[in-house]
Amino acid sequence: DQQVKQNSPSLSVQEGRISILNCDYTNSMFDYFLWYKKYPAEGPTFLISISSIKDKNEDGRFTVFLNKSAKHLSLHIVPSQPGDSAVYFCAASPGGGGSNYKLTFGKGTLLTVNP
Amino acid sequence: ETGVTQTPRHLVMGMTNKKSLKCEQHLGHNAMYWYKQSAKKPLELMFVYSLEERVENNSVPSRFSPECPNSSHLFLHLHTLQPEDSALYLCASSQEFGETFFGQGTRLTVV
Repeated sequence: DQQVKQNSPSLSVQEGRISILNCDYTNSMFDYFLWYKKYPAEGPTFLISISSIKDKNEDGRFTVFLNKSAKHLSLHIVPSQPGDSAVYFCAASPGGGGSNYKLTFGKGTLLTVNP
Repeated sequence: ETGVTQTPRHLVMGMTNKKSLKCEQHLGHNAMYWYKQSAKKPLELMFVYSLEERVENNSVPSRFSPECPNSSHLFLHLHTLQPEDSALYLCASSQEFGETFFGQGTRLTVV
């Protein structure tokens, strides 16, 4: 049973427009959420995170929104750039520290930004 | 340079071979992880080591054997693997309250 779901395997947007990537989760124990970006032949790199005590976190062109009641989060990229083309993974953690800090990942969404 | 280095980057092995994957982190983290990424599946956590002790084993078959000799190094020993074990194996590390940093992965093909 998948606890973190990214239902769109791919998304294509035009350069300069907004990209919205969605993620749903089922485990109520998750309280920390992250987005990772992965280019081909590289490991995932951390992009942005949000704690369950917040509903929005912004970092430059990237904003993550969290709707706890719906168990849904989304990543907004605006404006989208061709260099943003990558696979984006949503991940969730029950929080805590040390050995408790382990991530459950979605399957990823391939974002393609067209020039 | 990611701070987490994995070798080799690519590995092809037969089902009767024994090989090891190596990971080294230069970030001073106290937890290290092995993840597996198979095609069309989510990234799966395999093993967690915290302060060099294994604290999580997500029901991984015994043909995968991890070793953590110190806080900077992590190995994954492989023997008698199956073709379905072919995947990208990612090492990662983290500090107690911080994000997880990944290596570039080892692309493993079992023939």
